[in-house]
Amino acid sequence: QSVLTQPPSASGTPGQRVTISCSGSRSNIGSDYVYWYQQLPGTAPKLLMYRSNQRPSGVPDRFSGSKSGTSASLAISGLRSEDEAEYYCAAWDDSLTSWVFGGGTKLTVL
Amino acid sequence: QPQLQESGPRLVKPSETLSLTCTVSGGSVSSSRYSWGWIRQPPGKGLEWIGSIYYSGSTNYTPSLKSQVTMSIDMSKNQFSLRLSSVTAADTAVYYCARQGHYYDSSGFVKWFDPWGQGTLVTVSS
Repeated sequence: QSVLTQPPSASGTPGQRVTISCSGSRSNIGSDYVYWYQQLPGTAPKLLMYRSNQRPSGVPDRFSGSKSGTSASLAISGLRSEDEAEYYCAAWDDSLTSWVFGGGTKLTVL
Repeated sequence: QPQLQESGPRLVKPSETLSLTCTVSGGSVSSSRYSWGWIRQPPGKGLEWIGSIYYSGSTNYTPSLKSQVTMSIDMSKNQFSLRLSSVTAADTAVYYCARQGHYYDSSGFVKWFDPWGQGTLVTVSS
């Protein structure tokens, strides 16, 4: 059971906009930034979003992040086949004094 | 971007100690701008942070593993290491090392894991 809650799956067709949610609590998302990682099949996770809505260099602007209260979301617009991956949200938890992750959302491009 | 590479035994017996090393190339573990972390992923499951170590040697471990974990850093070899004692089958996972960047801004402490090593699968079995 993950501390942060994500839907296990999401899907969309090429060109569509998809949103992945991440729900937490006051001790994590409510008091810290949210980070998103993309894990392509068979590879290591890669930083996709930091400081809740900042894209690292090289991440397309089709990806955007937001945070409100104890929830966050990752939006992918103009969906492409190469976006098919597992997406994880993460935050620091002040009560647990630990990084916590969501269980991951498997995105399928139909 | 530096490159990180995990190394160590792929098979560990139950109750023994799992030992992994992460070698950093194209960057320095002695930089004060970064910490260095270990994250694991059981087969078919999600990510779990194990802990992080700063160049000074100060460490931060996840509470659930704190009694089993020891991390160290070797600046002469540009490596950092993980030791996990008394392992069980539940510790079977892909173990990743990663650089943890950080800075303070007006709203708080910004920190992230990037880049990551390719990961190494460690199986706990007799």
